[in-house]
Amino acid sequence: AQRVTQPEKLLSVFKGAPVELKCNYSYSGSPELFWYVQYSRQRLQLLLRHISRESIKGFTADLNKGETSFHLKKPFAQEEDSAMYYCALSGSGGAQKLVFGQGTRLTINP
Amino acid sequence: GAVVSQHPSRVICKSGTSVKIECRSLDFQATTMFWYRQFPKKSLMLMATSNEGSKATYEQGVEKDKFLINHASLTLSTLTVTSAHPEDSSFYICSARPRTGGGQPQHFGDGTRLSIL
Repeated sequence: AQRVTQPEKLLSVFKGAPVELKCNYSYSGSPELFWYVQYSRQRLQLLLRHISRESIKGFTADLNKGETSFHLKKPFAQEEDSAMYYCALSGSGGAQKLVFGQGTRLTINP
Repeated sequence: GAVVSQHPSRVICKSGTSVKIECRSLDFQATTMFWYRQFPKKSLMLMATSNEGSKATYEQGVEKDKFLINHASLTLSTLTVTSAHPEDSSFYICSARPRTGGGQPQHFGDGTRLSIL
């Protein structure tokens, strides 16, 4: 079964501090992992995906198959990073439906 | 970029009413669209996968006769909540995946807040 766990519902850090949002997954095959972000009063939008291995808005995430994790990191948090972050998993093949984690609300304090 | 339009954004209606929600991909074609439900302070739960020209695939526990899905074209999927009751009140979100190329990510609509009185 596919499962995504985000252990922190709320995370609060100061501006300029490093940020790490945790995500662990359970999947028997080769998953594709995503991070989606939802800013206040906006739609859910893709932040990054593991296969592109790119940095978006200073965020990076590395897929660790040994630890089945896909933690989202940013070295220096900015106030505009305050948002709801969802980790999601898609199995290989088929309709590639997404399974979402519970989400983490990140608040960056000035 | 890829845009998904969802309409209406908010619906308030009486118990027993059927409500139709539209999901359109505005600048791309989508053979597959997805319908999610989100409860307050909870994550998105996939309800069904909508396939253009064929029957939708429902997740376990989702009543197909309650939540009717039609995907008549490559740019439009509709979700009809039939004979809605207060327990159907929720935030419904659709997403669409472009048909071009494999592994395209899903693009989400703004969501529809449904309130049944």
